[in-house]
Amino acid sequence: GQQLNQSPQSMFIQEGEDVSMNCTSSSIFNTWLWYKQDPGEGPVLLIALYKAGELTSNGRLTAQFGITRKDSFLNISASIPSDVGIYFCAGQLMWGSQGNLIFGKGTKLSVKP
Amino acid sequence: DTGVSQDPRHKITKRGQNVTFRCDPISEHNRLYWYRQTLGQGPEFLTYFQNEAQLEKSRLLSDRFSAERPKGSFSTLEIQRTEQGDSAMYLCASSFATGTNQPQHFGDGTRLSIL
Repeated sequence: GQQLNQSPQSMFIQEGEDVSMNCTSSSIFNTWLWYKQDPGEGPVLLIALYKAGELTSNGRLTAQFGITRKDSFLNISASIPSDVGIYFCAGQLMWGSQGNLIFGKGTKLSVKP
Repeated sequence: DTGVSQDPRHKITKRGQNVTFRCDPISEHNRLYWYRQTLGQGPEFLTYFQNEAQLEKSRLLSDRFSAERPKGSFSTLEIQRTEQGDSAMYLCASSFATGTNQPQHFGDGTRLSIL
């Protein structure tokens, strides 16, 4: 099936550092979403992107929809301990199901105070 | 603002038993989705409804799985004759389908453990 390649798999950073993670695919997407998931909870939407080249911020988070429609990145600036969690990218194929979100395998973020 | 609600949060059952999960979407949302998530993986799509119509089913949804949304509001996901491999987190999401894309919002899931 379709896959999203999300990297890195995990990150260990110092509080205050900036973080960058990305997702790539061989397929074209019309929507990119970034979610954060804490243990035992469901994914929480962080940022939604709908246009190629779109750059959107949500507080310390910034995400971009790649111009080729095949990739997206998420940056977190000045990380804090509560940023700890697993971050997932998810995309909706340009020519595919209207309901089917395809998820990456996640980036596990650990922040040392 | 009430989010997506799932019940139960945890279910432990013996292999071969049937289980049913419930999802209540965000009230104004007309689309409802079911996903399955195993440890270390991202959620995988199972099926989705627009109002009461089930519009798509994944290959992952074997004939032991059935989902309903009879009145276009809450939905149930039933697994018959559960197997060890069914152990996972079952996530429900909802969105409002309009002419423009609207993101899916997730509940906190039902964690199923098969003994």
